[in-house]
Amino acid sequence: GQSLEQPSEVTAVEGAIVQINCTYQTSGFYGLSWYQQHDGGAPTFLSYNALDGLEETGRFSSFLSRSDSYGYLLLQELQMKDSASYFCAVGNSGYSTLTFGKGTMLLVSP
Amino acid sequence: DVKVTQSSRYLVKRTGEKVFLECVQDMDHENMFWYRQDPGLGLRLIYFSYDVKMKEKGDIPEGYSVSREKKERFSLILESASTNQTSMYLCASTPRENYNEQFFGPGTRLTVL
Repeated sequence: GQSLEQPSEVTAVEGAIVQINCTYQTSGFYGLSWYQQHDGGAPTFLSYNALDGLEETGRFSSFLSRSDSYGYLLLQELQMKDSASYFCAVGNSGYSTLTFGKGTMLLVSP
Repeated sequence: DVKVTQSSRYLVKRTGEKVFLECVQDMDHENMFWYRQDPGLGLRLIYFSYDVKMKEKGDIPEGYSVSREKKERFSLILESASTNQTSMYLCASTPRENYNEQFFGPGTRLTVL
């Protein structure tokens, strides 16, 4: 089966940089994705890593190390609107499905 | 703009009732999914479908069934609602070739009394 571990909560101040880690155990690896969900809203896709290294999209970057079964989401120049829950997810072999982590709540304070 | 819609934002039902949750996507996606989301548990997959009339069990299918008669519509059915099915239900869809970027609907918050 698949399992993912991520911190339950992270706090930071506006303008700072924060890293949300995700470690996973899978029977076969089919990529690591990140989603953002604001309170009361729907999850929205942020990024996907299939290969090792850093993927950058504006203020957000995502990193993957397949040998360490580890990835992280890096958020720079934090804004209040970044306060949300962030989920990592891994693809499942043989099916077009994802297994999600339990989520990390990011609280950004002034 | 891609869109996934769900029939109700909030729903209150009584124990034992049959409940239908509807999801419609306008992106011509092959894959559709139903999740439930509970505090501290993340998103858990109930059922998914990769084509019309096809369905597969996810991680927590007990107490649920699904129907996919048309490509754009995926229904979740609670045959006899119970209080432990009180939850947020999220529908999502993806094209067949890229299931990592899932498009979610706004969710239905179901309360079973």
